Amino acid sequence: ETGVTQSPTHLIKTRGQQVTLRCSSQSGHNTVSWYQQALGQGPQFIFQYYREEENGRGNFPPRFSGLQFPNYSSELNVNALELDDSALYLCASSFLAGVQETQYFGPGTRLLVL
Amino acid sequence: GQQLNQSPQSMFIQEGEDVSMNCTSSSIFNTWLWYKQEPGEGPVLLIALYKAGELTSNGRLTAQFGITRKDSFLNISASIPSDVGIYFCAGRDYGQNFVFGPGTRLSVLP
Repeated sequence: ETGVTQSPTHLIKTRGQQVTLRCSSQSGHNTVSWYQQALGQGPQFIFQYYREEENGRGNFPPRFSGLQFPNYSSELNVNALELDDSALYLCASSFLAGVQETQYFGPGTRLLVL
Repeated sequence: GQQLNQSPQSMFIQEGEDVSMNCTSSSIFNTWLWYKQEPGEGPVLLIALYKAGELTSNGRLTAQFGITRKDSFLNISASIPSDVGIYFCAGRDYGQNFVFGPGTRLSVLP
């Protein structure tokens, strides 16, 4: 158990809709990273939030946005859903201080876009 | 951009055998992490490496940070059925974000 929780566990949406996924980070951690994992592939970095500010972004369009709250929990929002957005969405929490960072993952939210 | 390669892509081994897998990068990294993922779950951290040449063990697992800082390997000794899963490496350079490899799928035959 990493102490990282995500909700919901599963979600079905239709093309064009919007979705919000949530993540609660491990106690003592100040950073949350979001990843998209398509079937049969490794996780792909979407973005990271550190102290409520975006701290790096991967190659994802602006319709992928996020928030981090004062308690370090986080949301991932995806607008105008496309079929290719169907994937497992993972959040990972970490304590970012200096050069060392170890990320601990939650169980993920599986999103299906029809 | 940064890319990681993992080999082998998949492997079938007999219970009790030792396993070796590796990860190579086109870039220099300052951190290597190894994860195991089982179906329907998030990746679970196995070993973290922060220094070139570092050799770290976690039970039957041993991982090393390559001295060139462009590779890392993971060994599993005396495999058991619960070792089945997909093993991912992830690397990061200073000021960058983590990049994940495509994974090595391990199957253990009784």
